Amino acid sequence: EAGVTQFPSHSVIEKGQTVTLRCDPISGHDNLYWYRRVMGKEIKFLLHFVKESKQDESGMPNNRFLAERTGGTYSTLKVQPAELEDSGVYFCASSQVFPPVGGKRDTQYFGPGTRLTVL
Amino acid sequence: AQSVTQLGSHVSVSEGALVLLRCNYSSSVPPYLFWYVQYPNQGLQLLLKYTSAATLVKGINGFEAEFKKSETSFHLTKPSAHMSDAAEYFCAVSSYGNKLVFGAGTILRVKS
Repeated sequence: EAGVTQFPSHSVIEKGQTVTLRCDPISGHDNLYWYRRVMGKEIKFLLHFVKESKQDESGMPNNRFLAERTGGTYSTLKVQPAELEDSGVYFCASSQVFPPVGGKRDTQYFGPGTRLTVL
Repeated sequence: AQSVTQLGSHVSVSEGALVLLRCNYSSSVPPYLFWYVQYPNQGLQLLLKYTSAATLVKGINGFEAEFKKSETSFHLTKPSAHMSDAAEYFCAVSSYGNKLVFGAGTILRVKS
């Protein structure tokens, strides 16, 4: 079974440019999450999709970030325009079961991340 | 609100020595707790998870963790460190909604 994949693995862009990150979850996983780790800080939640719907986007930093999951399969995270503080590693994760089925919280499987550098 | 504190951003042990990575959590609901590991140039890999069953949880690569509600702790241990254990380790907590809240991470260095 293929794991979570992310593209690109690295991206270097100039301030003000646009970048789009892609995540392909594990096949059959309805839940898709985006997280970000800014250098020296904790990994922080950005948002959660259940199929194509945004379940929780409380972690999105501002309106320069736009996440989509058309058709409930892969997801894209667009940053436009990019700022210096957007640099970091962006992780995607997927899981199968949507809580609160008996309060069950399913394991999230992470991709390798995309390292974004904004110059 | 939930939070996780990992004590020690860097831990160094000798090969063959006990590994102890500390994690304390705060949660207003019964927590699910996780330990993830990130090897160099790789993604996060699940080591083990606590889901309110047994308090002593065994994971991959010889790691285990014990949930102690009275101490709000979920420390990660391994009896004998191996060079291949060198990595960054993350403790995380989740509640209903499944969002993970991570600690700051602990980099484990194993000396030969």
